[in-house]
Amino acid sequence: QKEVEQDPGPLSVPEGAIVSLNCTYSNSAFQYFMWYRQYSRKGPELLMYTYSSGNKEDGRFTAQVDKSSKYISLFIRDSQPSDSATYLCAMNNQGGKLIFGQGTELSVKP
Amino acid sequence: DSGVTQTPKHLITATGQRVTLRCSPRSGDLSVYWYQQSLDQGLQFLIQYYNGEERAKGNILERFSAQQFPDLHSELNLSSLELGDSALYFCASGTDAYNEQFFGPGTRLTVL
Repeated sequence: QKEVEQDPGPLSVPEGAIVSLNCTYSNSAFQYFMWYRQYSRKGPELLMYTYSSGNKEDGRFTAQVDKSSKYISLFIRDSQPSDSATYLCAMNNQGGKLIFGQGTELSVKP
Repeated sequence: DSGVTQTPKHLITATGQRVTLRCSPRSGDLSVYWYQQSLDQGLQFLIQYYNGEERAKGNILERFSAQQFPDLHSELNLSSLELGDSALYFCASGTDAYNEQFFGPGTRLTVL
């Protein structure tokens, strides 16, 4: 079993939809949770960074962490075609290696 | 632009050869991480250097090695290359204080 599980999709939604992306994990020692966006095999771009449980909002993006359920989510409101990319969840302990999910491929149709 | 630079962008080489990938971290970042991304394995951690010292190792093959120089740039050396080493190699940098890791644009390695 992988430490981090993420549905690879692909996920296709119409423009303006709310998108929900999720990951589950097994290692309760993880404290830091991140979402990266990766366009077409370019370098992953850090979107959201969260410490421990709770919510964090940045523009159209909201990250949620539920440590009791070992479950994290990324919500994208008013999705745009430019949001079409692969979204990777990642997590670690302090300063350590990142453990990534497999990535979810998102397509937002105009 | 994350501020992390990697060269070269693309490398095409033959089996059995040796290549060197270079990474310059963001200004002020002391940690450099190397990751490999392949279609079947996803993003996998290889090795971390902090201020010139090796700090952590992942599933890095013995044919692979890395170092971080006094100016904090890092090099990943891949030798006796095999077809299965074809992948994207990313470098990331960060600080212990803030824990985020910022990725470079990657080097695409093709072994023929």
